[in-house]
Amino acid sequence: GQQVMQIPQYQHVQEGEDFTTYCNSSTTLSNIQWYKQRPGGHPVFLIQLVKSGEVKKQKRLTFQFGEAKKNSSLHITATQTTDVGTYFCAGLYNFNKFYFGSGTKLNVKP
Amino acid sequence: DTEVTQTPKHLVMGMTNKKSLKCEQHMGHRAMYWYKQKAKKPPELMFVYSYEKLSINESVPSRFSPECPNSSLLNLHLHALQPEDSALYLCASSQVVVRGTKNIQYFGAGTRLSVL
Repeated sequence: GQQVMQIPQYQHVQEGEDFTTYCNSSTTLSNIQWYKQRPGGHPVFLIQLVKSGEVKKQKRLTFQFGEAKKNSSLHITATQTTDVGTYFCAGLYNFNKFYFGSGTKLNVKP
Repeated sequence: DTEVTQTPKHLVMGMTNKKSLKCEQHMGHRAMYWYKQKAKKPPELMFVYSYEKLSINESVPSRFSPECPNSSLLNLHLHALQPEDSALYLCASSQVVVRGTKNIQYFGAGTRLSVL
């Protein structure tokens, strides 16, 4: 099946520091979505990016979709302890299959 | 209402048992999904139903048998499972995936399955 590579696997930051996670696909994506999963919880939708080069912001979160629609990033400015969790990208292929990246587990020290 | 309800929350079963996982949504979504998630791993797509018809089976072993009785319900029938099948089973729903639509997946809380 398709693979969506995501790095880093883990990130430990001090509260107030920035955080970035990256996703990369070997083939072109129809769109990409980002999800957050808190410990013991289930994935919760954050954003969907559809257009080449698209940038979207949600408060302290900035999402980018690459020009070739093969890569994406999530950047969090000034992390807070409530940002703790695992962030997954999910690439949509051929408009019918979602494949999740391996996830980046974020830990924020107060 | 953006809720996807999964039952049971926890399930322990022996390798010879037959059990079923249930998923329900009332958002009018016509695409429903089963995912399997092992600890510290991402969700892995198992099945996709579109308009109550199975559209994708990601080469899942036949001991997992999905069923979509109507547009609101999705079941996963389990039979003769192996210990390695122990995982969190997640159900999700979305609008049917077509070009340009916002096909957000709403996930249920999952069923944590242990196979002894």
